[in-house]
Amino acid sequence: AQTVTQSQPEMSVQEAETVTLSCTYDTSESDYYLFWYKQPPSRQMILVIRQEAYKQQNATENRFSVNFQKAAKSFSLKISDSQLGDAAMYFCAYRRYRDDKIIFGKGTRLHILP
Amino acid sequence: DAGVIQSPRHEVTEMGQEVTLRCKPISGHDYLFWYRQTMMRGLELLIYFNNNVPIDDSGMPEDRFSAKMPNASFSTLKIQPSEPRDSAVYFCASSTRGGWNQPQHFGDGTRLSIL
Repeated sequence: AQTVTQSQPEMSVQEAETVTLSCTYDTSESDYYLFWYKQPPSRQMILVIRQEAYKQQNATENRFSVNFQKAAKSFSLKISDSQLGDAAMYFCAYRRYRDDKIIFGKGTRLHILP
Repeated sequence: DAGVIQSPRHEVTEMGQEVTLRCKPISGHDYLFWYRQTMMRGLELLIYFNNNVPIDDSGMPEDRFSAKMPNASFSTLKIQPSEPRDSAVYFCASSTRGGWNQPQHFGDGTRLSIL
């Protein structure tokens, strides 16, 4: 069975600094998708970034980028120039190709220090 | 375009009572998912529907839980009878199969407290 592991329950970063959130996953599949979702105090889950496993190039969305290491089954999220609004719970998620379900990690709570 | 709409936003009720959570997916989305989020277990998939048909309910914890989707724009998750350990935030999400990399769109969740 596929699993997603986020080993950092909480992290803190100074405003304007860079922070990296870790995620590893376990799968025997070669085709799949990976996501990072953000859950602010408002509770809504917001998609931050997505990565297709067949693409070698790392996805980037403005200040958010990923480091996708397929062989190591690692998918970390880097947030540059951290802002107070980035404070949230971040979930790493996996979706097997042609599967309907997404498997979520347990999340990392990110604090931004002013 | 309106997002996924859940109601109520908060629900507080006594043990043994029936609880009904409601969800309206995004128009045109043919997949609907129900999740439960707790500190201990994280985000768990309870059940999901495709074209109003339940596809996988293996995450439903007990027979006390049931979910229906009578039409493409409405779904309910019911707990009867409710227990304190059911206290959690319940999310509904919808998606379209317009591409396998399509994300799920989540509602704001219902915070359920069973006393």
